[in-house]
Amino acid sequence: DAGITQSPRHKVTETGTPVTLRCHQTENHRYMYWYRQDPGHGLRLIHYSYGVKDTDKGEVSDGYSVSRSKTEDFLLTLESATSSQTSVYFCAIRQGAGDTQYFGPGTRLTVL
Amino acid sequence: GIQVEQSPPDLILQEGANSTLRCNFSDSVNNLQWFHQNPWGQLINLFYIPSGTKQNGRLSATTVATERYSLLYISSSQTTDSGVYFCAVVISDSWGKFQFGAGTQVVVTP
Repeated sequence: DAGITQSPRHKVTETGTPVTLRCHQTENHRYMYWYRQDPGHGLRLIHYSYGVKDTDKGEVSDGYSVSRSKTEDFLLTLESATSSQTSVYFCAIRQGAGDTQYFGPGTRLTVL
Repeated sequence: GIQVEQSPPDLILQEGANSTLRCNFSDSVNNLQWFHQNPWGQLINLFYIPSGTKQNGRLSATTVATERYSLLYISSSQTTDSGVYFCAVVISDSWGKFQFGAGTQVVVTP
């Protein structure tokens, strides 16, 4: 599993509240990614990081921000959650041959 | 951006049957991976296969990069093969960012 954990694993929140999801890795990987998974869309990239304090936007970044103050943690923040952000969120790291990516267990977020 | 199309969208198999899943992509790629998402939601790497053929047990994959497609073969399917199979590609100069297909939902019945 490439030493990736996500917390919380499940969260229910209300519209307008801030939410932070955490991705933690133990193997010093440089590249980390946040994806969301919705029916019919596969996984879509939200933000990614290529080092401490180095982040950039992905395909569906509106309404999300990220931070990476240390190698092992990549945080995804919804400043003001909306119902359209109800989804399953996956964190991934990149390692090994080419761009091989490995995924964490996911966080199921429900925004009421 | 690059388009990734998977077919068929759904597949129902009887245990023991063979099947082929297809992934078409619209541009040159540096990397292509196949993943299996099990019924518990876990995403499992199957193959890293930007070109050529690889086999792992009952599963094998072939990518023909010049023709922009990849195939995943499942032989002698088992109920544990059920889940969603995703193809994902990385284009050049893209920091390893994946573009996923929408997936193929596979159900293997006893």
